[in-house]
Amino acid sequence: SQTIHQWPATLVQPVGSPLSLECTVEGTSNPNLYWYRQAAGRGLQLLFYSVGIGQISSEVPQNLSASRPQDRQFILSSKKLLLSDSGFYLCAWSKIRTSGYTGELFFGEGSRLTVL
Amino acid sequence: TQLLEQSPQFLSIQEGENLTVYCNSSSVFSSLQWYRQEPGEGPVLLVTVVTGGEVKKLKRLTFQFGDARKDSSLHITAAQTGDTGLYLCAGAKATSGTYKYIFGTGTRLKVLA
Repeated sequence: SQTIHQWPATLVQPVGSPLSLECTVEGTSNPNLYWYRQAAGRGLQLLFYSVGIGQISSEVPQNLSASRPQDRQFILSSKKLLLSDSGFYLCAWSKIRTSGYTGELFFGEGSRLTVL
Repeated sequence: TQLLEQSPQFLSIQEGENLTVYCNSSSVFSSLQWYRQEPGEGPVLLVTVVTGGEVKKLKRLTFQFGDARKDSSLHITAAQTGDTGLYLCAGAKATSGTYKYIFGTGTRLKVLA
């Protein structure tokens, strides 16, 4: 069976410090990978998605970047955090898009980031 | 840019009551999904609707996709306290090699005993 893990679960960082959140998927190959951010009790904002190693699509211009160094590894980074980067970050994977596939996202446990 | 608007944003009802949550957009989607999320956890898929006008039932939950595939509704019959949570709709847009999933603004439901 497929599993997805992300860490750390909780992070408290000062303004201006760097960030690295990591996500790995097990039990599948060539997944599509996604990073979302969620404000408290609200919907999810798509940040980045990737269809393969080194292939990153950015949805929102911001202080963050993403990388996919391995097939099942997705990393969210920042060189200097801002107060507005605080939130709940969710990594998700889906199967590759094929004819007839309607899509489903499988989410990790989430990482709560507080920037002080 | 938020493409999907959900209403209501908050809903507090008594156990046994019925409710409907709406998800509206000006965009056409390949499919539309509904997720439920518990505090501190990732969303979990409830259903996917694909065809315009499609209706799916999941026990006491009824999901409908609009004829033009731009909007959807979730109806819960005889709500239970276990239905409490954040309900999210998400539209799938086909892009090069994958789908982008655009999420709605969310509806927080609280069912009181």
